[in-house]
Order: sequence, then C-alpha cells, then structure tokens
Amino acid sequence: AQKITQTQPGMFVQEKEAVTLDCTYDTSDPSYGLFWYKQPSSGEMIFLIYQGSYDQQNATEGRYSLNFQKARKSANLVISASQLGDSAMYFCAMRGLNTGFQKLVFGTGTRLLVSP
Amino acid sequence: DTEVTQTPKHLVMGMTNKKSLKCEQHMGHRAMYWYKQKAKKPPELMFVYSYEKLSINESVPSRFSPECPNSSLLNLHLHALQPEDSALYLCASSQSQGGAIYEQYFGPGTRLTVT
Repeated sequence: AQKITQTQPGMFVQEKEAVTLDCTYDTSDPSYGLFWYKQPSSGEMIFLIYQGSYDQQNATEGRYSLNFQKARKSANLVISASQLGDSAMYFCAMRGLNTGFQKLVFGTGTRLLVSP
Repeated sequence: DTEVTQTPKHLVMGMTNKKSLKCEQHMGHRAMYWYKQKAKKPPELMFVYSYEKLSINESVPSRFSPECPNSSLLNLHLHALQPEDSALYLCASSQSQGGAIYEQYFGPGTRLTVT
C-alpha cells in the first residue's frame, strides 16, 4: 500500500521569502513517481512538479524545486521568492508500479498563506 | 495546451434526479479519471479509464455510472444520489501508462450539491 503524509496543516510565509512544505511517503513499490499539486480556492488542481524514484537529480520547475531524499522517503516542496498568488492548498501525491501507475494517492494537504 | 474542461461548473440536484457531468480533453491523452473531493479533504479516486475501457472502479456505489464515449470525452452519470454525495468532482487526464509515469492534468471541477 502507498501512503503520503503531510504533517503541516498550515504554513505562513511573507512575500519574497522561501518556504518548504514537507512530504513523506511510504511504499513497497520499486518504481514510483512523486508529484506536487496546487489547489487554489477555485478548486482546480494545478500540476507543479514531478520526481521519479530513479531520478538522480532533484526536480526543478521555475520557483519550485523538489528536495528528494530517497533514503528518508521524503519529497519536500521548496517555493522560492513566495508571491501572494502562491496562497493555496498544496498536495503531495504519488503513483506506483504496483497499481500500474494508474492510481494517484494524495496526502492531506498543506494550506499556505503568503502575506504582504 | 494542457486544458481539461468540465461542465457544468455548479450543479444542484434532488435525490430523485438524473444528471450527468461532462469532461473533455484534446491533449491526446488515453487515460482519464474521475475524483471526488469533499471539503478540506484530498481528492479520492473513483474511476480510471484507459483506452476508453474502465480499468479501475474504487468500489463506487452504482448510483455513479461512468462512461467514456471516445478518447476525448468522459461522462459521469448520476442517479438517486444522497446528500453525502455533495462534493467537488474532478476530472483528470494523462498520457497512457506504458510503464512510464506521467502527470495528471485536472479540470476545474463540478461543485455538486444534492438536496
């Protein structure tokens, strides 16, 4: 079975500062992928970044980077230079080989609030 | 273009009504998904279609009936719903699996209220 744990229900950060959102996972799959999604109050889930379990380098996409530590089973999202528009719910998720990579399992989410 | 569209945006229906949710994508994706999301909770997978065939049904009650008429369209037919079925229903699509892992792209969702 796969499990994603996000221990921070809410995070606060000031504009232009960096913030790290924590994510740990548990899986017996030999191959898996880790994702971060952003969900504004409008409801749409926006894909941010992806990390494959065999990728040697940490993924980066603009202001987003994923701090992947395989031995610790953690996949933290780092947002640099926060902007007011970053205020949203953030979900960590994974897909694994044992479900044919079809099933996306989500964590409980972290609500980020960026203040001026 | 990474757009998934869903209609309607909002839906209010009575417990005896029959309604349908629609989802469309033109990215050539061959995998499509329905999720249900209750307030302050993560999305929960309901159904997965792969190459227009149902591949995963997460033990969803039969009052929810999915349909994939073609590779671009995904419907969710609703009948005799309960108030606890009120939620945000999200559609998503991704490239087909083929042993590789692809991101899912989500639509804006349909907010369903059952009265």
